[in-house]
Amino acid sequence: AQSVTQLGSHVSVSEGALVLLRCNYSSSVPPYLFWYVQYPNQGLQLLLKYTSAATLVKGINGFEAEFKKSETSFHLTKPSAHMSDAAEYFCAVSLSGGSNYKLTFGKGTLLTVNP
Amino acid sequence: DAMVIQNPRYQVTQFGKPVTLSCSQTLNHNVMYWYQQKSSQAPKLLFHYYDKDFNNEADTPDNFQSRRPNTSFCFLDIRSPGLGDAAMYLCATSSPGVGYYEQYFGPGTRLTVT
Repeated sequence: AQSVTQLGSHVSVSEGALVLLRCNYSSSVPPYLFWYVQYPNQGLQLLLKYTSAATLVKGINGFEAEFKKSETSFHLTKPSAHMSDAAEYFCAVSLSGGSNYKLTFGKGTLLTVNP
Repeated sequence: DAMVIQNPRYQVTQFGKPVTLSCSQTLNHNVMYWYQQKSSQAPKLLFHYYDKDFNNEADTPDNFQSRRPNTSFCFLDIRSPGLGDAAMYLCATSSPGVGYYEQYFGPGTRLTVT
């Protein structure tokens, strides 16, 4: 079985500061990893995904994430936060092979951006 | 643009009164999912359809049912809503990529039970 742990349910940064949202996964087989963003009263939007190609993945809105197998991590970063980045962020994992059409989500991290 | 559409966006129902939420997609994806998301929590998978095959999660209450009459549409029926069923309901779709399934989410329906 796979699992995802997001460290920090709430992260607060100043506008222009580095954003770092942490995600660690547990998987018995090579995983596929995803970061989703959710704005209030909206659905989830895919930010980026790791699918076993490049370990450094670039996504939309200036976000990127690096897959580190040795650390079982897939942390999300953005060099300079913008007010519009304030939202809930979910890390998710699916397995390669078998029931890989299901996602296991982390509990989410609420990002607040202060002016 | 290809997309996942959910109607209505906001639904108010009375305790015990059956309610149906609708999802449609123009992506022609094989798989359609229904998630329940309560405040400040991750989405919780209720069930999914792989083509016409229905797959229920073990802990989904019997009060929740689903129908998929064709590829494009999927419905969530709540037979007797309780106060605890108030939540955001998310529909998602996916289709096999190169070994993985990327899920596309609709905007959600927020259900209020009075």
